[in-house]
Amino acid sequence: RKEVEQDPGPFNVPEGATVAFNCTYSNSASQSFFWYRQDCRKEPKLLMSVYSSGNEDGRFTAQLNRASQYISLLIRDSKLSDSATYLCVVNTGGFKTIFGAGTRLFVKA
Amino acid sequence: DAGVIQSPRHEVTEMGQEVTLRCKPISGHDYLFWYRQTMMRGLELLIYFNNNVPIDDSGMPEDRFSAKMPNASFSTLKIQPSEPRDSAVYFCASSPIIRRQETQYFGPGTRLLVL
Repeated sequence: RKEVEQDPGPFNVPEGATVAFNCTYSNSASQSFFWYRQDCRKEPKLLMSVYSSGNEDGRFTAQLNRASQYISLLIRDSKLSDSATYLCVVNTGGFKTIFGAGTRLFVKA
Repeated sequence: DAGVIQSPRHEVTEMGQEVTLRCKPISGHDYLFWYRQTMMRGLELLIYFNNNVPIDDSGMPEDRFSAKMPNASFSTLKIQPSEPRDSAVYFCASSPIIRRQETQYFGPGTRLLVL
């Protein structure tokens, strides 16, 4: 079993739709969690950190469920510019960072 | 700030040749990371440094790979000898410590093709 698992997609959604991604992790001692975004042939960039209480940044909402060991990302009112690969990232201690394989999102006009 | 700088951006070499990838982290960042990304394996952490000292190199695939950080503003990842299966995008990232959320800032990557 991979340490961090994501549905690879692709998710094809129309503009304005709401889409949600989940990510599961296997190490119950994991300490911090993030969502990164990676555009085609570009470097990953931090989208948002994920806090135990959940957090929201504009159209994006991230949540953490420690009991079930998953994190989620919700995108509301999807834009064409949201098309990218979304990487779930788990830090298992220190800076030992594990990236998921990513979920591809295509937003269509 | 210019962000993390990597060179070269593209490298094409022949099997058996030595390859050296370079990275300049963001000034003031205490941590530096080397990653490799392939379609098959995704993004893998190879090694990371704290204050120029290697902390965890468990991700380095084999002895052909080595990394150094002689000072706070420069790091290298060397592959000697290179093999076709080393073809990948190699990213360098750096990070400050902000509370307990360790944001990593990635460079643009070096696309390596070993023929």
